[in-house]
Amino acid sequence: DIQMTQSPSSLSASVGDSVTIICQTSQSISSYLHWYQQKPGTAPKLLIYATSTLQSGVPSRFSGSGSGTYFTLTISSLQPEDFATYYCQQSYGPFYTFGRGTRLEIK
Amino acid sequence: QVHLQQWGAGRLKPSETLSLTCAVYGGSFSGYQWSWIRQSPGKGLEWIGEISHGGTTIYNPSLRSRVTMSVDTSKNQFSLRLTSVTAADTAVYYCAMPRLAYTNGWFYYWGPGTLVSVSS
Repeated sequence: DIQMTQSPSSLSASVGDSVTIICQTSQSISSYLHWYQQKPGTAPKLLIYATSTLQSGVPSRFSGSGSGTYFTLTISSLQPEDFATYYCQQSYGPFYTFGRGTRLEIK
Repeated sequence: QVHLQQWGAGRLKPSETLSLTCAVYGGSFSGYQWSWIRQSPGKGLEWIGEISHGGTTIYNPSLRSRVTMSVDTSKNQFSLRLTSVTAADTAVYYCAMPRLAYTNGWFYYWGPGTLVSVSS
């Protein structure tokens, strides 16, 4: 299986800050890397797919980049609704795997 | 607008069989693969497997010996069975699918989740 290492596991930031979450994979997955946001009691929400394509309706302050084994999710100018848990997921597959998540908390 | 609705037993005893069904409303049923994903505090998000409109399945190797997925195209539904459950199978189970047909690998539509608890 392709192992996912997501860091940091938790992060404290203030409204207006910019933050970056890292996802590293145990082998190259080209651009088959996707990002989700999850709030308590709800299903994950797709933010970015194929490394850098913003899902329709997702604010432009979210951006993704990377390739191979190193990927990042950047949220610029944090808004109150952005405090949540974020997960990366690979679909290079054929078995899909998720990162362990990054909990973004208000400082 | 596509909507996923899921149902199944939420309380099981060890060794019993987990059975969940997911219905797809509001969209085409052909050209898609549908997945089951579970989430537990200990293991985070875990992809269980997927099934295509034609019934082709791919399962996570860690669960393959206990998992069966099926699809009922006449009802726009797909199902999950997981046999011989233990406490380690306690989790919220989601059904999920991509937004567009003939794309795969990322999940746009999710069911609301079913909490399945395994306890004697």
